[in-house]
Amino acid sequence: EPEVTQTPSHQVTQMGQEVILRCVPISNHLYFYWYRQILGQKVEFLVSFYNNEISEKSEIFDDQFSVERPDGSNFTLKIRSTKLEDSAMYFCASSWDDRGNQPQHFGDGTRLSIL
Amino acid sequence: GDSVTQMEGPVTLSEEAFLTINCTYTATGYPSLFWYVQYPGEGLQLLLKATKADDKGSNKGFEATYRKETTSFHLEKGSVQVSDSAVYFCALKFQAALIFGKGTTLSVSS
Repeated sequence: EPEVTQTPSHQVTQMGQEVILRCVPISNHLYFYWYRQILGQKVEFLVSFYNNEISEKSEIFDDQFSVERPDGSNFTLKIRSTKLEDSAMYFCASSWDDRGNQPQHFGDGTRLSIL
Repeated sequence: GDSVTQMEGPVTLSEEAFLTINCTYTATGYPSLFWYVQYPGEGLQLLLKATKADDKGSNKGFEATYRKETTSFHLEKGSVQVSDSAVYFCALKFQAALIFGKGTTLSVSS
């Protein structure tokens, strides 16, 4: 069964540094998403991406965050200047369609630790 | 705003016990509803879904029915196994974003 793959599984970064989290969505999917889960809290939506542009974003997704699909397979989340509170598990997801009844398929996540 | 509330965990059961994990939602319209499961060290996996009122989603012995009148989507399984030990997330969706509950940890012992 096709999978969403994320790399790295764990990223440790100094505060203030830039970090790029990488994802390879399922190959025939058209919609891509990032979520995060701070330890002990809910999984929160960050952003959705379609046709090479952001289609929806949450309040969390401020100017420090950006997303990109640099080629036909990768989907990346960049945090420009990391803060301690960016420490979380980051999940990438993809779907064929973004209608309400279409499920999203998740990767195993990247654990980001900011020191 | 839209939100999902799940019962607090952890839920601890013996093998072959009956499982219920409560989930209620608040939404302005009629969202689709999902249950996702997260096994230790893994990502979120879709367990089941229901897209309209009175729909029943089912998978791997788990069931949940979309109840519009009580705004609920409770997860049930008649006989749990040790391998069902995981974190279970209820979620709703209108358009792009999934809105998740906090998750309920299930621990099943033999």
